[in-house]
Amino acid sequence: RKEVEQDPGPFNVPEGATVAFNCTYSNSASQSFFWYRQDCRKEPKLLMSVYSSGNEDGRFTAQLNRASQYISLLIRDSKLSDSATYLCVVINSNSGYALNFGKGTSLLVTP
Amino acid sequence: DAGVIQSPRHEVTEMGQEVTLRCKPISGHDYLFWYRQTMMRGLELLIYFNNNVPIDDSGMPEDRFSAKMPNASFSTLKIQPSEPRDSAVYFCASSWTGANNYGYTFGSGTRLTVV
Repeated sequence: RKEVEQDPGPFNVPEGATVAFNCTYSNSASQSFFWYRQDCRKEPKLLMSVYSSGNEDGRFTAQLNRASQYISLLIRDSKLSDSATYLCVVINSNSGYALNFGKGTSLLVTP
Repeated sequence: DAGVIQSPRHEVTEMGQEVTLRCKPISGHDYLFWYRQTMMRGLELLIYFNNNVPIDDSGMPEDRFSAKMPNASFSTLKIQPSEPRDSAVYFCASSWTGANNYGYTFGSGTRLTVV
């Protein structure tokens, strides 16, 4: 069982829709949390960090629930260019600065 | 800055051959990571270095895999002998401890196919 679990999808949504992804992590020593985006046949790139108080970056909102060990990403007003795989990522205090990835959730936004 | 540079971009080799993947991190970054990505297992950490010293190699699958970082600007991941199950995309990433969000940058990856 992976330490970071995500629903693989795919999520197929029309342009303009709101879509939410969830992620759970099993290591209570996890200290830092991120969402990464990976386009097909490309490297992962940081989308946003996730803070306990919740944070927003334009159409993207990330939430963290430490008690439930649960992370979420909400995308509002989906664009065709949002089509990608979204990776939930944690850093554990006992693994240095290494990123620990979920397997990703695939999103396809259709016209 | 050119970012993290990996070579080759694609490698096709026969089972049993030695494969060497190369990585040049971003200048000034003090951490270097090697990851492997497959459909079945996603992105997995193989090994990482801090200031050229290997810190955690527990993700290295077996003795066929070895990694070195002889200086701050170069690292190699070697597979000898290669097997078909080693087929994957291998990513190198670098970061520095003083950056916000840890300042991770990934290379474009090496797509390895072992036939």
